[in-house]
Formats: sequence, structure tokens, C-alpha cells
Amino acid sequence: EAQVTQNPRYLITVTGKKLTVTCSQNMNHEYMSWYRQDPGLGLRQIYYSMNVEVTDKGDVPEGYKVSRKEKRNFPLILESPSPNQTSLYFCASSKKGPANSYNEQFFGPGTRLTVL
Amino acid sequence: AQSVTQPDIHITVSEGASLELRCNYSYGATPYLFWYVQSPGQGLQLLLKYFSGDTLVQGIKGFEAEFKRSQSSFNLRKPSVHWSDAAEYFCAVGGTGFQKLVFGTGTRLLVSP
Repeated sequence: EAQVTQNPRYLITVTGKKLTVTCSQNMNHEYMSWYRQDPGLGLRQIYYSMNVEVTDKGDVPEGYKVSRKEKRNFPLILESPSPNQTSLYFCASSKKGPANSYNEQFFGPGTRLTVL
Repeated sequence: AQSVTQPDIHITVSEGASLELRCNYSYGATPYLFWYVQSPGQGLQLLLKYFSGDTLVQGIKGFEAEFKRSQSSFNLRKPSVHWSDAAEYFCAVGGTGFQKLVFGTGTRLLVSP
């Protein structure tokens, strides 16, 4: 089954304790993204990756890191989490298409993070 | 910059009544438009999408949306709402040249008996 998986689905941690949220897709997609969802703000992009070893900042990158060492995986790293990073996080992937085209993004199930 | 406006934060509809959720977008070129639904505690489910062609788009669960370029709108409609439709609905715009979706802030739908 084609899917985007995220782990863990729920995480409660404390300020300053490094954590990683994993994202994996089995569709051989080139593009991957991380979004965070906050009440009243909708979803906002944190980082995205166009392909292996190619990553760039989205709209709200502060406090986050990513890496893309393999095509299928795109982990989100919080080196020193703070309470304002308490949020619902979604990973997404999409296929690279021809220029001037757009391909639908497929979303993972979400990871609910609480930073105390 | 691209943006999406969903002017209604909450909407309450009686079960069996019709529904229209509003969405306005700002994007300089041809937009790719989406409606997603998020049930409480759940992830995002794609309801429908508009890429090109017929401006009236049919989706899952009996939803439809109409793309109106002149009004920069992509409103979501359903002729008869069911209690299970209570959820949060997000409109989003994507476009060539940027690999992300820009989301609206969402509309929470409440369904009264």
C-alpha cells in the first residue's frame, strides 16, 4: 500500500531534550515536506526537500533541522525543543513532474508533540 | 505571495441542510486547489482537487466545489449534511514553482440534530 508513515504518533517530552520524528514514504517520491498545524493558523511548511541531499527552509524553520540522506526518509529533528513547538506535525511527499506541473502531495497520519 | 482565506472560523448547520464553505485564494498564475477534511484527532483526508478543466469538481462523501477564477474562489458545497460531516475543513492552494501547499486557517463545521 502506498503510504507516508510517521513515528512516533504521539510524543510528550521536556524542554531541551533532543528528539527526532521520522517520516518515510514508499512511493519513490522526490519531494518531501514537513508541516506543523496550530489552532487558528492552519498548516504551515517547516522544511522541504526536492531530492536526496537537497533541502530548504519553508515558512517556519526556526528551531528545526532536517536531513535527506535517502530518498524514502525525511526525519525532522528538534535539537532543543521548546514549549512553542508543541504542535501537530505532518509529513508529506509528492512526485516530481514536468516543469510547470504540480503533483498532489500525500500526507502522513500526523505526530502530536507536546513539549513541557 | 500565495495566500488562502477561509473567512468562517465556525459554521453550524442542521443535519440534512445544505452546506457551503467559502475559500478565496491569492495566486498569480493558474492555481491548483484542494479541500481537505480533518476529523477530530485524525489526519488529513483529501476531499477533492482542481487542476484544470471543468470548474465544477466532484469529490468524495458527496462534496463538490466550484472554481471561479473571476472571484478567486473555490467554495465547497454539499446538498445535505450528515452528522458525520462534523470536522474541520481546510482549503489549500498549490502551484508550479513552489513545492508546498498554502493552507487556509480552516473552518470548523458543527452539525446540529
